[in-house]
Amino acid sequence: ILNVEQSPQSLHVQEGDSTNFTCSFPSSNFYALHWYRWETAKSPEALFVMTLNGDEKKKGRISATLNTKEGYSYLYIKGSQPEDSATYLCACLETSGSRLTFGEGTQLTVNP
Amino acid sequence: DAGVTQSPTHLIKTRGQHVTLRCSPISGHKSVSWYQQVLGQGPQFIFQYYEKEERGRGNFPDRFSARQFPNYSSELNVNALLLGDSALYLCASSVRQGNYGYTFGSGTRLTVV
Repeated sequence: ILNVEQSPQSLHVQEGDSTNFTCSFPSSNFYALHWYRWETAKSPEALFVMTLNGDEKKKGRISATLNTKEGYSYLYIKGSQPEDSATYLCACLETSGSRLTFGEGTQLTVNP
Repeated sequence: DAGVTQSPTHLIKTRGQHVTLRCSPISGHKSVSWYQQVLGQGPQFIFQYYEKEERGRGNFPDRFSARQFPNYSSELNVNALLLGDSALYLCASSVRQGNYGYTFGSGTRLTVV
């Protein structure tokens, strides 16, 4: 069973601030890393699926990097907006491709 | 195109009862996974089904079972409910088993009293 950790647990920033959070995972048997954005009372929304060491992905103001050798991924949000307030989850996909192991998430609050 | 739909959205059950949760995947998706999310924790993997066969099972007791139907919809069954089974149950579908994007439903909130 993988152990996926996220930090910080929660984060409060002001509108316009840029921010980043960390996801760490075992580097052995790595298959893929997923990032999800989960707003209250909605369903988790897929942000990125990353597989290769050194991968960088971008979606609007949100970007992510992946280091499979040292076992971490960073999620960056540039110029945070109140609508970015959500819980951001990372999850590792096992080699079998059958299960996602999630971290506990980082809860982001962006104050106007 | 409808997303992943789950029913019911909320329900309350008594300890010892049985519950069935339902999930309809996105059209064309043949894989369905179930996750349990307890407040303050990340979702925990319960089952994955692909082409109507169980392809993965998480660390949950035998009281939990699931199946996938020919139309790729799925049911999660929990017998002999315990207070600790109270959680949000999420269903996710993907095109097939493997490293493909997962689309989640909004979940079923189960409360056991």
